[in-house]
Amino acid sequence: AQSVTQLGSHVSVSEGALVLLRCNYSSSVPPYLFWYVQYPNQGLQLLLKYTTGATLVKGINGFEAEFKKSETSFHLTKPSAHMSDAAEYFCAVSDQPSGGSYIPTFGRGTSLIVHP
Amino acid sequence: DTEVTQTPKHLVMGMTNKKSLKCEQHMGHRAMYWYKQKAKKPPELMFVYSYEKLSINESVPSRFSPECPNSSLLNLHLHALQPEDSALYLCASSQASSGATYEQYFGPGTRLTVT
Repeated sequence: AQSVTQLGSHVSVSEGALVLLRCNYSSSVPPYLFWYVQYPNQGLQLLLKYTTGATLVKGINGFEAEFKKSETSFHLTKPSAHMSDAAEYFCAVSDQPSGGSYIPTFGRGTSLIVHP
Repeated sequence: DTEVTQTPKHLVMGMTNKKSLKCEQHMGHRAMYWYKQKAKKPPELMFVYSYEKLSINESVPSRFSPECPNSSLLNLHLHALQPEDSALYLCASSQASSGATYEQYFGPGTRLTVT
């Protein structure tokens, strides 16, 4: 069984500050990991994904995440927050083919608030 | 084209109405999904179609009836809904090779209000 924990339902940062959104997962097999962003009244958009290979993954809009197997974490970072980054962020995990289905399990979401 | 489209964008319906939500993708994806999302919550999976066949039904009430007429289209037929069914309904699609997992592409959603 797989699960995702996103620490903090809200994260507040100042414009220009570092963004750090935390995600920890549990999975019985090596996982596929995803970060999605949802702007108000819109669908979810894929920011980045980890499947295999390089553990530091770069995504769109300047975001990146690092897969740390020993810590079962996949935290999302951005060096400098913009006002336009204010949105809901979802971490998701999906078992690899040998483990199970292709349906991702979503975390509860973290709302990023950016102050001027 | 990496777009999933959904119509209508907004829908208000009474509890005795019958309506349908539509979803379309032209990415050649053979897996399509319906999700229900309440405010500030993650999407909840409702149905999954794989190669135009219903493969997962997450114990959704029968007042929701999915349909996949072809590989590009997905419908959700609504009948006798309850006010608690008011939510954002999201459609998604992905590749669906046996033994593989791919990211999902989401549509913008239909905001449904049941009065």
